[in-house]
Amino acid sequence: ETGVTQTPRHLVMGMTNKKSLKCEQHLGHNAMYWYKQSAKKPLELMFVYSLEERVENNSVPSRFSPECPNSSHLFLHLHTLQPEDSALYLCASSQVTAGGGEQFFGPGTRLTVL
Amino acid sequence: AQSVTQPDIHITVSEGASLELRCNYSYGATPYLFWYVQSPGQGLQLLLKYFSGDTLVQGIKGFEAEFKRSQSSFNLRKPSVHWSDAAEYFCAVGESGAGSYQLTFGKGTKLSVIP
Repeated sequence: ETGVTQTPRHLVMGMTNKKSLKCEQHLGHNAMYWYKQSAKKPLELMFVYSLEERVENNSVPSRFSPECPNSSHLFLHLHTLQPEDSALYLCASSQVTAGGGEQFFGPGTRLTVL
Repeated sequence: AQSVTQPDIHITVSEGASLELRCNYSYGATPYLFWYVQSPGQGLQLLLKYFSGDTLVQGIKGFEAEFKRSQSSFNLRKPSVHWSDAAEYFCAVGESGAGSYQLTFGKGTKLSVIP
């Protein structure tokens, strides 16, 4: 595997389900990100982990719970979601250096909440 | 805080025609600038980036962009568009300070290509 991988690619869940999204980066980066991309809305940064510590949490509802067990893996745990949470969830990684490191994105998980 | 404006939501061009996608940014210092492309249902792929030096940046797939500080712009260009270029394009600005990592994205410009 190369780059940034995400599983599953598609997920359909009911509002009472609990599921997790997984992201793995094979680039040796030290920062990882979760984004939400909804139709007709700009890319929304949800969480940032730098050196495995959460450094950003942009007012995301508590029904989304991130976990970063090591620098290569990032999870997004989902529970009691709402239909408006249906979106493409993108994971990205970067190398935090002197600034401005480009982010490399995974293919995304298309989430549908019924 | 930085911001990015992509004034064109949707652009349609004929195959073989030239293309320019506009991007304006707001940032107090010298920004780090990026263009990404996204095909339907896929993640974002980096086309090119500007950190410093030559203000005309070459990227993949025949794209280039020019950083114009006086206009706070970083427009993306391609001299001859191919049907496979149909996708959504995102401009992004990053902080230039030490340890910075966050990017701010524009809302994107969807490109349609007419055969």
